[in-house]
Amino acid sequence: DTAVSQTPKYLVTQMGNDKSIKCEQNLGHDTMYWYKQDSKKFLKIMFSYNNKELIINETVPNRFSPKSPDKAHLNLHINSLELGDSAVYFCASSPIGNGPYGYTFGSGTRLTVV
Amino acid sequence: GQNIDQPTEMTATEGAIVQINCTYQTSGFNGLFWYQQHAGEAPTFLSYNVLDGLEEKGRFSSFLSRSKGYSYLLLKELQMKDSASYLCAVATNAGKSTFGDGTTLTVKP
Repeated sequence: DTAVSQTPKYLVTQMGNDKSIKCEQNLGHDTMYWYKQDSKKFLKIMFSYNNKELIINETVPNRFSPKSPDKAHLNLHINSLELGDSAVYFCASSPIGNGPYGYTFGSGTRLTVV
Repeated sequence: GQNIDQPTEMTATEGAIVQINCTYQTSGFNGLFWYQQHAGEAPTFLSYNVLDGLEEKGRFSSFLSRSKGYSYLLLKELQMKDSASYLCAVATNAGKSTFGDGTTLTVKP
């Protein structure tokens, strides 16, 4: 009964590969996000979807493509992986875009590109 | 853009009180959040301030001054389990929260 679940938890892959990370929330929230946390622990927004519609797309290489089949799911596909993509990727959701409840984060996917 | 500043590291003693400051510059301010993140785990929501003043929640309190672009998180009766990173995040009416770099708090016996 995890609120925001991401898979896989760990992902080790070679440069140039394509990989996907999946995220699902069972909280009934309308808004979902992808954040990247680098080795210096800086948490940076990548994308935000509100009820399946893309509303935030930060300066992210177009190798990263989010997909939201419904408001409970937000997946992240990464093409042609590079060493610099190594980081922890967090999915999050919230009931209102930026309301008083804060985000509920998934447990993160630690991506290592070798 | 947004600038969010908070100290990189702080150390305090078990049972003491610690105040973690956060200053920010932004347009379209829509609230300020504090999150706690233990090593290797996801951030968890602690508090939200959108109006000036102090919000108290058990051992944790958060303060906001919008005119000064300033917030602090106050932790009382520190416990060893409070050792973690504390992230200040500023929300805007563009619909996103931007996080500061986080303050790593170490609680010593």
